[in-house]
Amino acid sequence: SAVISQKPSRDICQRGTSLTIQCQVDSQVTMMFWYRQQPGQSLTLIATANQGSEATYESGFVIDKFPISRPNLTFSTLTVSNMSPEDSSIYLCSVASGQETQYFGPGTRLLVL
Amino acid sequence: KQEVTQIPAALSVPEGENLVLNCSFTDSAIYNLQWFRQDPGKGLTSLLLIQSSQREQTSGRLNASLDKSSGRSTLYIAASQPGDSATYLCAVSMDSSYKLIFGSGTRLLVRP
Repeated sequence: SAVISQKPSRDICQRGTSLTIQCQVDSQVTMMFWYRQQPGQSLTLIATANQGSEATYESGFVIDKFPISRPNLTFSTLTVSNMSPEDSSIYLCSVASGQETQYFGPGTRLLVL
Repeated sequence: KQEVTQIPAALSVPEGENLVLNCSFTDSAIYNLQWFRQDPGKGLTSLLLIQSSQREQTSGRLNASLDKSSGRSTLYIAASQPGDSATYLCAVSMDSSYKLIFGSGTRLLVRP
């Protein structure tokens, strides 16, 4: 199994600012994903983080709002840009490699005031 | 568009009871189905993965079944314990891309 850490674990931000969330895995993985869990809702896939190329975004999510980097096989960042209160959510990183079971990070709890 | 529904949304049972959580999906052409457990502040933990060709998977006190043609899966928890209290999420994948579509979850409370 993979051990995943995320930083920060939580943050409170002012509207209009940006926050970058880091995801670190203890081993090289093929696939990395970013999900959002809005209050009282289930998880929604934001994008697939591709190593060495632009991320692949799901419908309703755009690169200008959620820029993603993946410089290597163990690390990725998600930036939430120009935040509004509607961006208040838990953001989770997940990984998969070979086996089809996915492993999730502990999440980053974001509150936008 | 695939939609995943979980019933009930919340469940409270006394310790020792056997229980069943339900998951349904609208498009039966799934690649696989997973059950996760979510604990506050600890992300998600994968419990069971069922391939589309399989009917069930078992791990300890947990048994997950899949009826792909009817678009249903159940998670059976035997002899429930207070430590089983968590939110249980069902998720399906439509292909080998690993992308998951989640249900809204069942919040379980096992009372001592």
